[in-house]
Amino acid sequence: SQKIEQNSEALNIQEGKTATLTCNYTNYSPAYLQWYRQDPGRGPVFLLLIRENEKEKRKERLKVTFDTTLKQSLFHITASQPADSATYLCALDSRVIKAAGNKLTFGGGTRVLVKP
Amino acid sequence: NAGVTQTPKFRVLKTGQSMTLLCAQDMNHEYMYWYRQDPGMGLRLIHYSVGEGTTAKGEVPDGYNVSRLKKQNFLLGLESAAPSQTSVYFCASSYSRTDPDMNTEAFFGQGTRLTVV
Repeated sequence: SQKIEQNSEALNIQEGKTATLTCNYTNYSPAYLQWYRQDPGRGPVFLLLIRENEKEKRKERLKVTFDTTLKQSLFHITASQPADSATYLCALDSRVIKAAGNKLTFGGGTRVLVKP
Repeated sequence: NAGVTQTPKFRVLKTGQSMTLLCAQDMNHEYMYWYRQDPGMGLRLIHYSVGEGTTAKGEVPDGYNVSRLKKQNFLLGLESAAPSQTSVYFCASSYSRTDPDMNTEAFFGQGTRLTVV
């Protein structure tokens, strides 16, 4: 089965710095990878999707890269702010891989704490 | 536009009791999912549905049943609750993910916190 790993240790970062989160996966390559943000007591909220033929995707202060050779995605928050403090989840979107059954499979998430 | 609504928000059950969690979406989404979230385990897929009248097992389906009689509703049932089912349950929905060009993000409900004692 697919396995997704994110750093379970919280990432503490100073305001204004860049936070970099890692998502590693095994077993087979997803066609797409999605990133979500989750605040305490709330459901995850979609941030970005990157396709396997895209190396990089940006949205405002967020940047995602996708390396299918390394089986890894990196998620960057530039010029971080205290309001960016949350848990960030990556998810494998296997929509075009029939054997995977159109599932959306999540990693365990990485908590980010941005200190003023 | 309410999005995805879960009922109830909180529930305490005794071991062996049964209950049904209701998920309703008003976005005309084809796909619906039930996840559970436990500390250190992330979101784990219980069951999902790719359309009205269809359901499929996810990663941790044992002890749960689901039904999708109407496109907008996805019900999760616990026939005989066990303490191991204490968790936060999230429902999500999305457009069909068979089109490779669509950005089919998942929309999540606010969660149901279930405690089985």
